[in-house]
Amino acid sequence: DAGITQSPRYKITETGRQVTLMCHQTWSHSYMFWYRQDLGHGLRLIYYSAAADITDKGEVSDGYVVSRSKTENFPLTLESATRSQTSVYFCASRSGTSASYEQYFGPGTRLTVT
Amino acid sequence: QKEVEQNSGPLSVPEGAIASLNCTYSDRGSQSFFWYRQYSGKSPELIMSIYSNGDKEDGRFTAQLNKASQYVSLLIRDSQPSDSATYLCAVLTGRRALTFGSGTRLQVQP
Repeated sequence: DAGITQSPRYKITETGRQVTLMCHQTWSHSYMFWYRQDLGHGLRLIYYSAAADITDKGEVSDGYVVSRSKTENFPLTLESATRSQTSVYFCASRSGTSASYEQYFGPGTRLTVT
Repeated sequence: QKEVEQNSGPLSVPEGAIASLNCTYSDRGSQSFFWYRQYSGKSPELIMSIYSNGDKEDGRFTAQLNKASQYVSLLIRDSQPSDSATYLCAVLTGRRALTFGSGTRLQVQP
């Protein structure tokens, strides 16, 4: 019962490189989300997806790309990493039913852009 | 004005006391409210959800919601040192993602 996993857990990359953060959930949840967490800003939404092949931007989507070809996976790509994208990235998911809007988080990926 | 506001703290309480954490939100149409606990270096962990006005109790935790005042709170009874963490208030607006407050850091002194 893995729940929601993220990989890698830690990543150091250089400015200008492309990097992809992976997120996988085993609950068959419809909704998946990407947040970043920075000191002084709390958790901010990058992108979310309501189902496979349906994605939408959050408040801080510039410089990020997502895809969702399978329900269980929701990768986040930084097309050309910048130092301002140094952050902790959390993936989350929730069921699509109206009975519960409870959202569950993965363990996070700590990304450093040098 | 931030959509979800919390006092950053730290809120310091002695072991065994009641800790009271507060949150206000700006969108009057919000319908679902959540409290998450986050230990340093860890991911947010859901501890309470509340959808209706009034109180909801789960063990030592009680969530309180007042939609007229746009206010949600979390009470932790018999506080333990292991409760020391940052508590995040989150609000669901529409049917999309949660909007989070910046969190309140709670310190329970042994």
